[in-house]
Amino acid sequence: AQSVTQLGSHVSVSEGALVLLRCNYSSSVPPYLFWYVQYPNQGLQLLLKYTSAATLVKGINGFEAEFKKSETSFHLTKPSAHMSDAAEYFCAVTAGGGNNRLAFGKGNQVVVIP
Amino acid sequence: EAGVVQSPRYKIIEKKQPVAFWCNPISGHNTLYWYLQNLGQGPELLIRYENEEAVDDSQLPKDRFSAERLKGVDSTLKIQPAELGDSAVYLCASSLGAGITDTQYFGPGTRLTVL
Repeated sequence: AQSVTQLGSHVSVSEGALVLLRCNYSSSVPPYLFWYVQYPNQGLQLLLKYTSAATLVKGINGFEAEFKKSETSFHLTKPSAHMSDAAEYFCAVTAGGGNNRLAFGKGNQVVVIP
Repeated sequence: EAGVVQSPRYKIIEKKQPVAFWCNPISGHNTLYWYLQNLGQGPELLIRYENEEAVDDSQLPKDRFSAERLKGVDSTLKIQPAELGDSAVYLCASSLGAGITDTQYFGPGTRLTVL
């Protein structure tokens, strides 16, 4: 079964500083990996996804993530945090192959400090 | 384009009472999902529909939970009777298909509080 681990439930970052959210996965088959963002009182929105093409994936709102098989990681970064980036971020994995079941991590609540 | 619509947004009930949640997916989306999100956790899949057929309901507690998707469009998730531990956010999502390239679009969720 596939799973992801996100450490540190709350992450504080200063406005303008680097945003780094860590995600490590466990999968017995080549994984497909996703990052979702959830703003207060809204549904989850897809930020970006890795589906075995380029290992560096660019998403919306200036976010990107790099798939590293040797480290079983898919960390999310943004060079410069903005106040509007305050939200909860979830990493997820699926095996694909016609079964689109997503296994989510526990999430990171990002707080941006002015 | 309208997103996934869920109602109600909030529901407070007493334990042992029944409760139902409704979801209207994005038009044309054949695949519909119900997820459970406990406080401080990521969403967990309860059931997945392909049109009217429930193709993955292995995580649905069938003793008290039921779901239906009549005519392959709207869906209802029901709990009867509700227990204190059912307090959570219930998310509905939809996608064009079940392939890896089919992005899942989520609704805002229904926050259930069981007293």
